[in-house]
Amino acid sequence: NAGVTQTPKFQVLKTGQSMTLQCAQDMNHNSMYWYRQDPGMGLRLIYYSASEGTTDKGEVPNGYNVSRLNKREFSLRLESAAPSQTSVYFCASSDMWGTDTQYFGPGTRLTVL
Amino acid sequence: SQQGEEDPQALSIQEGENATMNCSYKTSINNLQWYRQNSGRGLVHLILIRSNEREKHSGRLRVTLDTSKKSSSLLITASRAADTASYFCAPLPRGGKLIFGQGTELSVKP
Repeated sequence: NAGVTQTPKFQVLKTGQSMTLQCAQDMNHNSMYWYRQDPGMGLRLIYYSASEGTTDKGEVPNGYNVSRLNKREFSLRLESAAPSQTSVYFCASSDMWGTDTQYFGPGTRLTVL
Repeated sequence: SQQGEEDPQALSIQEGENATMNCSYKTSINNLQWYRQNSGRGLVHLILIRSNEREKHSGRLRVTLDTSKKSSSLLITASRAADTASYFCAPLPRGGKLIFGQGTELSVKP
């Protein structure tokens, strides 16, 4: 049981480049989330998916898109990276929308130059 | 705006001492959760307390909830160096989503 996995672990991009962060969970959870964590800002919700086939914006969605590929996988895409998107990105999952424990992946550390 | 606000932002204690962290929030909640984050890692769920509960224990952890004051506290007893981490509260507003505070950075010195 791997729990929540994220790839890549580290990434350096140049301004304007695009990339997709991958997340997968093997706990058969319905809900999945993408957060970013910046110093002094705590965790901020970017997008979430309450169930397979649905996605919704969180607190800071601008500059990002998501895809809930199937029940296991939830990807986050940066179409045109900006230095303000330098952050650590965490994916999480839970088995009931907003009511249950969230399980987090190890994070992706992204630097945009 | 963030729902969970932890206090203090940083706490440094000696091994064996107790550590208390506080959390305040703004609206009615269904439950409140506490998470730990070791440096460079993802968050790990510690404990959940429901709105109709006042106190909950798990090992060396004790969580209290006062819904009238919209506050919670996390007590770690007999702290160990391995407890060094950031601790986040995450209230779940009714009809809303978990919102994490900025965290309390705990340092336990051997």
